[in-house]
Amino acid sequence: KQEVTQIPAALSVPEGENLVLNCSFTDSAIYNLQWFRQDPGKGLTSLLLIQSSQREQTSGRLNASLDKSSGRSTLYIAASQPGDSATYLCAVRDSNYQLIWGAGTKLIIKP
Amino acid sequence: ETGVTQSPTHLIKTRGQQVTLRCSSQSGHNTVSWYQQALGQGPQFIFQYYREEENGRGNFPPRFSGLQFPNYSSELNVNALELDDSALYLCASSLGADPNYGYTFGSGTRLTVV
Repeated sequence: KQEVTQIPAALSVPEGENLVLNCSFTDSAIYNLQWFRQDPGKGLTSLLLIQSSQREQTSGRLNASLDKSSGRSTLYIAASQPGDSATYLCAVRDSNYQLIWGAGTKLIIKP
Repeated sequence: ETGVTQSPTHLIKTRGQQVTLRCSSQSGHNTVSWYQQALGQGPQFIFQYYREEENGRGNFPPRFSGLQFPNYSSELNVNALELDDSALYLCASSLGADPNYGYTFGSGTRLTVV
């Protein structure tokens, strides 16, 4: 059974710092991995999608990597801003085409 | 191109009642999936529809049921509501059963059962 874990559960850093969020999964048989952002009480905004054959994807200040063999993905945020404060979730699309989710990392960027 | 829209945005129901939540998928998407997100947790997969047929279901009881219509919009029905059903319900759409496509999510329906 696929399980997805995100560490840390919460993170608070000063504005301007670079930071890394971690996501691990137990079964490497995935189609892709997607990183999402969720603001309090809101829906999910897709940030980056990495196919199983890819190693990384970049969008602006965000860079996501995928190491399928070790069951790990990282989301790197450069030059963090207060507007980056949100919960970040990762999800893998497993062999049954279902999205399996981590519990998220709550990120607070202090001005 | 319109995104995924869900209605209503908020809903309060009494234990034992029934509720219907609605979702319009993104233009061109024919796959819709539903998720339940309790406070402070990641979403949990309820079920998925592809071209009006259910093609995947998570660990939810039969009182959670759904439909997908010819225009690919979808409904989630929950019977005999329980207090633990209080959650944010998210709908997502995708293009086809191709797993290489990502999902686009709606803003969710916040259901409170009292």
